[in-house]
Formats: sequence, structure tokens, C-alpha cells
Amino acid sequence: ELKVEQNPLFLSMQEGKNYTIYCNYSTTSDRLYWYRQDPGKSLESLFVLLSNGAVKQEGRLMASLDTKARLSTLHITAAVHDLSATYFCAVDRDDKIIFGKGTRLHILP
Amino acid sequence: DGGITQSPKYLFRKEGQNVTLSCEQNLNHDAMYWYRQDPGQGLRLIYYSQIVNDFQKGDIAEGYSVSREKKESFPLTVTSAQKNPTAFYLCASSIWQTMNTEAFFGQGTRLTVV
Repeated sequence: ELKVEQNPLFLSMQEGKNYTIYCNYSTTSDRLYWYRQDPGKSLESLFVLLSNGAVKQEGRLMASLDTKARLSTLHITAAVHDLSATYFCAVDRDDKIIFGKGTRLHILP
Repeated sequence: DGGITQSPKYLFRKEGQNVTLSCEQNLNHDAMYWYRQDPGQGLRLIYYSQIVNDFQKGDIAEGYSVSREKKESFPLTVTSAQKNPTAFYLCASSIWQTMNTEAFFGQGTRLTVV
């Protein structure tokens, strides 16, 4: 059974700091996705990672995938308040897309 | 514009009633999914479907039913057997049998039992 675990589940950080969110999954997969959710809203796609070693960057966010370690990271560089949201990773295996519990990110001015 | 439409946005249900949540997509996607999200929690998979007239149970299917009579539509019925139906329900769709199965989401339906 596929399990997807994120950590930390909650992160409070100062503006300007760097931090990393981790996403581990339990079975092999080459397809991993990152999403952002603002309070009361739906999910917005951030990154699509489809191979070992894939790295994608958008602004202050960078995502990577290590399929051998079954690990993806979402790195935040010089955080700004606008990045406050909940971030989810999701893994596709056997036609099911399974989500982690999410990391609630709160960036303090 | 292409996208996924969920309706209604808010829904109130009396105990013992069945209610149906609508999900329509015009992205020509084969696969469709229903997720449930409780406050402060992640998304849990209820049902999913890759082709018309076929669907599979997800991790929390009890108390729910679905149909897939058309490629564009995947309605979810919350039955009276679902003991704690109050939640945020999200519908998604994706291309199937391809490398990139990125899911695109509707705006969600917030269901409250009164």
C-alpha cells in the first residue's frame, strides 16, 4: 500500500530564511507532484517531477526528486509572506494519486 | 475555457439524506478522482475512475457512491450511511496512461450536515 509522508507538518519561519520540506513515499514511483493550497481554496499545481534527479524551480521554490531514496524535497529560499500556504506532495502509483498530509507553512514578517 | 467545475460550492444536508455532488470537466481527461479533506488534514481518496463505466474504491469509499456514465462527468453521492460527511470535497481529473498524470482540481464543495 502506498503511503506518503511529509515533514514537518507545520512550519513557522521568518521572512528571508531558507527551509526544506520533505516528502517520503513507501513504494516505487517515478511520478511526484507538488501542490499549494491557500485557506478555503482548492489545490494549485506547482511542480511535476517525472524522473530520478528531476529538479524544477519557480521563483523562490525549488523541488527535486530522488526515486531511489523515494524522497522529494521542496526548498524555500529567502521566504516571503506570500508563500504562506499549505503545501502537499502527491505520488501516482497504480492509477491512484495519493497525497501527503500537507505542510502548513506560516511565514512571519 | 477548459477546466473542472464542481457544484454546488456550499451544500447543507440533513441527517439521513443522500446528496449528490457534481463534477464536470472539459479537459478531455480520462481519469477522474474524488477526495475528501477534513479541517487541517490532507486529502483522502474516495473513488477514482480511468474510463467510462468503470471506477474503483479509494481508501475511504464506505458511505459514498459514484457513477461514470460520461467521460466528462463523475458525480459523487454521499449517502446516509456516511456517518461524518461534513468535509471539503475535491474533484480532480488527469490524463491517463501517460507519463505525466498531473491532477487538476475543481474549486471544491463544502458539505455541512445540519
